[in-house]
Amino acid sequence: SQTIHQWPATLVQPVGSPLSLECTVEGTSNPNLYWYRQAAGRGLQLLFYSVGIGQISSEVPQNLSASRPQDRQFILSSKKLLLSDSGFYLCAFRDMNEKAFFGQGTRLTVV
Amino acid sequence: AQKITQTQPGMFVQEKEAVTLDCTYDTSDQSYGLFWYKQPSSGEMIFLIYQGSYDEQNATEGRYSLNFQKARKSANLVISASQLGDSAMYFCAMRVMDSNYQLIWGAGTKLIIKP
Repeated sequence: SQTIHQWPATLVQPVGSPLSLECTVEGTSNPNLYWYRQAAGRGLQLLFYSVGIGQISSEVPQNLSASRPQDRQFILSSKKLLLSDSGFYLCAFRDMNEKAFFGQGTRLTVV
Repeated sequence: AQKITQTQPGMFVQEKEAVTLDCTYDTSDQSYGLFWYKQPSSGEMIFLIYQGSYDEQNATEGRYSLNFQKARKSANLVISASQLGDSAMYFCAMRVMDSNYQLIWGAGTKLIIKP
C-alpha cells in the first residue's frame, strides 16, 4: 500500500537558522509530490511541487526551497528562517485516482 | 478566477445529528474535481470524498456524502449520524485543469460535535 512519511512532527528553530524537512513516499513510483503550508486557522497554500527527480516548481516566491534528490524523497529547506516561516507544513503525493494523500505534517515555530 | 468558498467558519452540532458543511466553487473549466478533507487536531489531512464534474451521481463514502449541485456550483459535505470523533476542521478543495494537480483550497470549517 502507498504510504507517506514526514518528519519531524514538531520543530522549534531560532530566526536565521537553517531548515530541512523531509518527506518520503512508499508503495509508488514516480509520484507527483507537493509541499503545502497552512497558517493557523487557514487553508492550505501550495509552496512547491515536483513531477520527477530534480524537477521543482515554485508557486510562491519566498524564503524556502525544495529539492527532490530521489524519486520518492522530497525535501523542504531554508538557509535562514524568518519569523513568518512559522506554520504547519504538509507533504503530499497524488495517487493514480487523482487523490492527494498527506503526511502527518510538521509544526514549525520560528522564535 | 478559480476559488473555493466555505462560509461557515465554525459549527456546533449535537451528536447523532446530520451535518451539512457548505462549499461553493468558482471555475470556468468544464472538467474539474472536488474534494473534502478532514483535519483533526493532530494536524494530519485525511481524504474523505471526491466528486468529478462529470459524475452524474453524488459521491458517497460510508457516512459521508457529497451534495453536488453543478448549476449552483456547490459541493456540500453531508455527514450522517455525527460522532464525537467527527470534531475537526473540514476543508473543501478543487482540482484545477493542470497536469500537475494544483488544488484550490477553501478556508475550512471547524466542526464541533457536542455529546
